[in-house]
Amino acid sequence: DAGVTQSPTHLIKTRGQQVTLRCSPKSGHDTVSWYQQALGQGPQFIFQYYEEEERQRGNFPDRFSGHQFPNYSSELNVNALLLGDSALYLCASSLGRGTDTQYFGPGTRLTVL
Amino acid sequence: QQQVKQSPQSLIVQKGGISIINCAYENTAFDYFPWYQQFPGKGPALLIAIRPDVSEKKEGRFTISFNKSAKQFSLHIMDSQPGDSATYFCAASMNNDMRFGAGTRLTVKP
Repeated sequence: DAGVTQSPTHLIKTRGQQVTLRCSPKSGHDTVSWYQQALGQGPQFIFQYYEEEERQRGNFPDRFSGHQFPNYSSELNVNALLLGDSALYLCASSLGRGTDTQYFGPGTRLTVL
Repeated sequence: QQQVKQSPQSLIVQKGGISIINCAYENTAFDYFPWYQQFPGKGPALLIAIRPDVSEKKEGRFTISFNKSAKQFSLHIMDSQPGDSATYFCAASMNNDMRFGAGTRLTVKP
């Protein structure tokens, strides 16, 4: 039973560029949440996707957008990258809305130069 | 935006000792309180979780104590082992909107 997978593992971009991160949820899960974890900090909620729609959003600008596909996998897109966007981006999956048990992937380490 | 405060930032415990990490939350609408363990280079892994209708939950060496009136909860790790050395995060959630504490780096010395 595959857990949550994310790709790529590491990514280096320059300011102003755009990036796309990918996530495949745990088998049987239909809800995907994205988090940003800065070095030495706890994860911060970006948004959640369920039934291919963004259902909830944290305090992140519109430069952060996402998508969920019919197979429940998801993408996180970040436009106009800033140095401050350097972080570990975590994807978590869960089953259904309103359930709180989330399983995290290993993350994508994004470095913006 | 911080709604969950976690302490201490770091903790050093001898092997076999008890590790205690504390968290306090502000929003009484939170209804799910998990603890996650994170090793370097890995994503957080769910350890144990509690809902506010229960004051204590134990799973193996890990126990959550929950004080609803004080809006505080804590993680106790009994018989701490060097393999427990990791960063621990508390979190509070409502409708899958999960807010994390800043983390506690636990070191268990052999």
